[in-house]
Amino acid sequence: SQKIEQNSEALNIQEGKTATLTCNYTNYSPAYLQWYRQDPGRGPVFLLLIRENEKEKRKERLKVTFDTTLKQSLFHITASQPADSATYLCATRARMDSSYKLIFGSGTRLLVRP
Amino acid sequence: DAGVIQSPRHEVTEMGQEVTLRCKPISGHNSLFWYRQTMMRGLELLIYFNNNVPIDDSGMPEDRFSAKMPNASFSTLKIQPSEPRDSAVYFCASSLEHPGGQYFGPGTRLTVT
Repeated sequence: SQKIEQNSEALNIQEGKTATLTCNYTNYSPAYLQWYRQDPGRGPVFLLLIRENEKEKRKERLKVTFDTTLKQSLFHITASQPADSATYLCATRARMDSSYKLIFGSGTRLLVRP
Repeated sequence: DAGVIQSPRHEVTEMGQEVTLRCKPISGHNSLFWYRQTMMRGLELLIYFNNNVPIDDSGMPEDRFSAKMPNASFSTLKIQPSEPRDSAVYFCASSLEHPGGQYFGPGTRLTVT
């Protein structure tokens, strides 16, 4: 089955800078990756989905890339704001034969300093 | 439109007691998922339903856990008997299409003493 790795160390950046978070998968190309945001005491919130045939996807200040050669997805937040501080999770399908069952990374905590 | 609704939000119970967690998915969504989140193990899928039918329950820890979805607007996750190691936040999520984003409820924080 698939495995996902995210940097467990918190990312600490200055307001206005671009935050870049990394998600690596270890086995087969997963067909798609999803990114979620989770605030303390709340459930994850779906942000973006990128398919493996899409190199890049954008939504407002968010940008996600998918590199099947590196087995990696990058999640960028441009012009970061303190309100962007949260934990960001990536997810993909757990098995090649199931698009329903997701596995989640452990998440990377982002802290944006004012 | 209301999101996924879960109840109770917090549950504190003693070891050996039965615990029932409830979920109302987003209207029109045809898939429902139960997850458990802990610091040690992160977010783990326990079971998911498609059109009210359980599709994969391989994540259910053991026979003490059971889940039902009697209709499209309601699901329960039951733990009987509960144990301290069941303490976690339990999330319900629903989705409309695959692959598509899953929409999570606020979670139930369960503490078993």
